[in-house]
Amino acid sequence: EAQVTQNPRYLITVTGKKLTVTCSQNMNHEYMSWYRQDPGLGLRQIYYSMNVEVTDKGDVPEGYKVSRKEKRNFPLILESPSPNQTSLYFCATLGGDRGYFGPGTRLTVT
Amino acid sequence: KQEVTQIPAALSVPEGENLVLNCSFTDSAIYNLQWFRQDPGKGLTSLLLIQSSQREQTSGRLNASLDKSSGRSTLYIAASQPGDSATYLCAVTSGTYKYIFGTGTRLKVLA
Repeated sequence: EAQVTQNPRYLITVTGKKLTVTCSQNMNHEYMSWYRQDPGLGLRQIYYSMNVEVTDKGDVPEGYKVSRKEKRNFPLILESPSPNQTSLYFCATLGGDRGYFGPGTRLTVT
Repeated sequence: KQEVTQIPAALSVPEGENLVLNCSFTDSAIYNLQWFRQDPGKGLTSLLLIQSSQREQTSGRLNASLDKSSGRSTLYIAASQPGDSATYLCAVTSGTYKYIFGTGTRLKVLA
């Protein structure tokens, strides 16, 4: 079954404590990306990756880092989280022009 | 800059009604348009994908149309059911493969 998995699904943390949200896909897709979803703003792209070791900024990259060392994994790193990064995060892949989204990670930064 | 708008923001209908959700976009130079469904606490599920060269796509009770020249797409849901209650999102992609999303229509189908 085609799947995009994210962990953790829910996370409450404090300002400044580094965290990583993992994303993994089993479809062998080259393209992966991260979005955040906020009320009234919709989903906005944070970073994307066209292939292993190839990453680029999306619309709202400030405060985030990513890496793509393997094709299946695309972790999102928050080096020093702040309250304005409280959001719902989605990892996505693209294959055959169709998007596949993970279940989301709800992050709260206090 | 591409902008995607969905109207209405929320919709409540009795079970069995046919309904139309609207999506408009400002830049007609799109690669494709996709409709998603989002259930509370869950991810996005792809419903229909329309390539820029296509006019419509159908899947079961769902029909999506695309008028690229006017920057509009509609999602038609026939004979709505309570299980259709969810938020519906449309998204367009350009050559960069980035999705530009609308803010969604929150649909509630009453039994």
